[in-house]
Amino acid sequence: DSGVTQTPKHLITATGQRVTLRCSPRSGDLSVYWYQQSLDQGLQFLIQYYNGEERAKGNILERFSAQQFPDLHSELNLSSLELGDSALYFCASSPRRGAFFGQGTRLTVV
Amino acid sequence: DAKTTQPPSMDCAEGRAANLPCNHSTISGNEYVYWYRQIHSQGPQYIIHGLKNNETNEMASLIITEDRKSSTLILPHATLRDTAVYYCIVRALTQGGSEKLVFGKGMKLTVNP
Repeated sequence: DSGVTQTPKHLITATGQRVTLRCSPRSGDLSVYWYQQSLDQGLQFLIQYYNGEERAKGNILERFSAQQFPDLHSELNLSSLELGDSALYFCASSPRRGAFFGQGTRLTVV
Repeated sequence: DAKTTQPPSMDCAEGRAANLPCNHSTISGNEYVYWYRQIHSQGPQYIIHGLKNNETNEMASLIITEDRKSSTLILPHATLRDTAVYYCIVRALTQGGSEKLVFGKGMKLTVNP
């Protein structure tokens, strides 16, 4: 158990819809990272937050947005969903020692 | 951007040591070498990290060359459960937070019975 909690574990939705993925970092960790992993693809860095502020952006589409709340949990919002958005979405929180990943949310767009 | 080079795949016999190489010839003085692994569709798992000294923990050993341009992750007695994609990453630790963590393509290690 990494201590990073992601909900929901599975999500099936239709094209054009909007979903919200949630991540609770390890207690005391200020950084949250979001990643997308499509089938048989590598981990694509989307965005990083640190103590409520956006710290770095990767290959995140304009249809996607994220935020980190005062209690440090984070949400990734995906809108106008397309079939190609079907993927595993991972969240990680990062102490100075090393990042710890949640078990991911598997999103299926039908 | 990923700053490391790993072979795409490697096989190892169960019970033998697995030596996983990584090149990071452009590493900066303040960048650490991190290793993670991902077992199919699970969240990546932190293994070990180091700056310039060799490191060992309960999972593995990390050997970093003196010039820091390459490193080797050693799994001393590989088991079937070590079959995974292994990622070598260089990453700085900045004041007040960490640099973004960018994964490359990694290396698929297959441990054979």
